[in-house]
Amino acid sequence: DTEVTQTPKHLVMGMTNKKSLKCEQHMGHRAMYWYKQKAKKPPELMFVYSYEKLSINESVPSRFSPECPNSSLLNLHLHALQPEDSALYLCASSQDLGGARETQYFGPGTRLLVL
Amino acid sequence: AQKVTQAQTEISVVEKEDVTLDCVYETRDTTYYLFWYKQPPSGELVFLIRRNSFDEQNEISGRYSWNFQKSTSSFNFTITASQVVDSAVYFCALRGRASGSARQLTFGSGTQLTVLP
Repeated sequence: DTEVTQTPKHLVMGMTNKKSLKCEQHMGHRAMYWYKQKAKKPPELMFVYSYEKLSINESVPSRFSPECPNSSLLNLHLHALQPEDSALYLCASSQDLGGARETQYFGPGTRLLVL
Repeated sequence: AQKVTQAQTEISVVEKEDVTLDCVYETRDTTYYLFWYKQPPSGELVFLIRRNSFDEQNEISGRYSWNFQKSTSSFNFTITASQVVDSAVYFCALRGRASGSARQLTFGSGTQLTVLP
């Protein structure tokens, strides 16, 4: 079972709203990732968590705030977003960081539209 | 620095034709990992294969096959007897073992494959 789930599937929000994206995996993976993907582009890494600690932040604006409540859950809190933040947000997980165990499995994504 | 090049932006084939998606990579690492992912219109990135740099064996899985050649830094993907359900964007990706950004997945720009009935 290589399932990563994400909710919601679609989200429309205004620039003053606060919303959260959720990601869950039950594969016992200890590394989790957030990516942003614009249309016709490859995914861009935003954050990496390893053993529930933030390992990598790719200079993402503070209006995006990640949270890893436990090893199975990953949230992305959104606040005061801009229209250019509209994109597909993908969550991924891997068994661990390093070597072959770092094969990433992706969720279905959340399509975000900021008005 | 790592780089993955997928020179084919879009490919259209008629069902049952064979099609090869090209992937050329650059890395300074001696140990690295290559991946192919499929992204259908639904959006999910589906993992297809991982190949370690020290394993140059080609692999076949059903209608899918992969040709890894270190001498030309290529990791090409062939779909035999294509089907409409194969229509998707296909990404080739590379990850090294060095520290910092080289440890992260570097994606190619993707190839949009359209299989016509």
